Amino acid sequence: NAGVMQNPRHLVRRRGQEARLRCSPMKGHSHVYWYRQLPEEGLKFMVYLQKENIIDESGMPKERFSAEFPKEGPSILRIQQVVRGDSAAYFCASSPTEAGELFFGEGSRLTVL
Amino acid sequence: QKEVEQDPGPLSVPEGAIVSLNCTYSNSAFQYFMWYRQYSRKGPELLMYTYSSGNKEDGRFTAQVDKSSKYISLFIRDSQPSDSATYLCAKDGGGAQKLVFGQGTRLTINP
Repeated sequence: NAGVMQNPRHLVRRRGQEARLRCSPMKGHSHVYWYRQLPEEGLKFMVYLQKENIIDESGMPKERFSAEFPKEGPSILRIQQVVRGDSAAYFCASSPTEAGELFFGEGSRLTVL
Repeated sequence: QKEVEQDPGPLSVPEGAIVSLNCTYSNSAFQYFMWYRQYSRKGPELLMYTYSSGNKEDGRFTAQVDKSSKYISLFIRDSQPSDSATYLCAKDGGGAQKLVFGQGTRLTINP
């Protein structure tokens, strides 16, 4: 059973470009979470999604950031008009139930030039 | 004040030593505590979790929670070089798996 798959593992963007990060949860998991890890900081919750629904986006910046988890395909975290402060590692996690253990992917590292 | 505070280290100890990693928290609501281990360039993996005060043991690892002082600890006995990693404490943040993490302590076990 493959783990949580994230791609790309590394992404470089120039200021003003768009970044799209993808996450395929573990098989059988319908709960997906995105966390951001800034340099020298702990992980910070961004958003919690179930299939086709955003359940909690209280940690998501109000502008430029969006997330989706369509009926078919991976979850997508989209960052529009990236700025240098968006440079971070973005981790996706999935769980089989709302209260189940979180299984993290290896992260996508975004660098904004 | 951050909701979960953790000394970032780095912490370096010789192989075989007992390691003590600590966190404090400020919000007493939603008291479900976890320790994650994160190897370099990898995702965090759950080591231990606990709901209650007191100790919970799993092999060489012991998690301790003191709710009266809002203090959580992880002890590693007979530390091994393979334990070298960043250790993150976390507590639930009032939503389904909406975890609040400390900033992590970087640990190195020297052979």
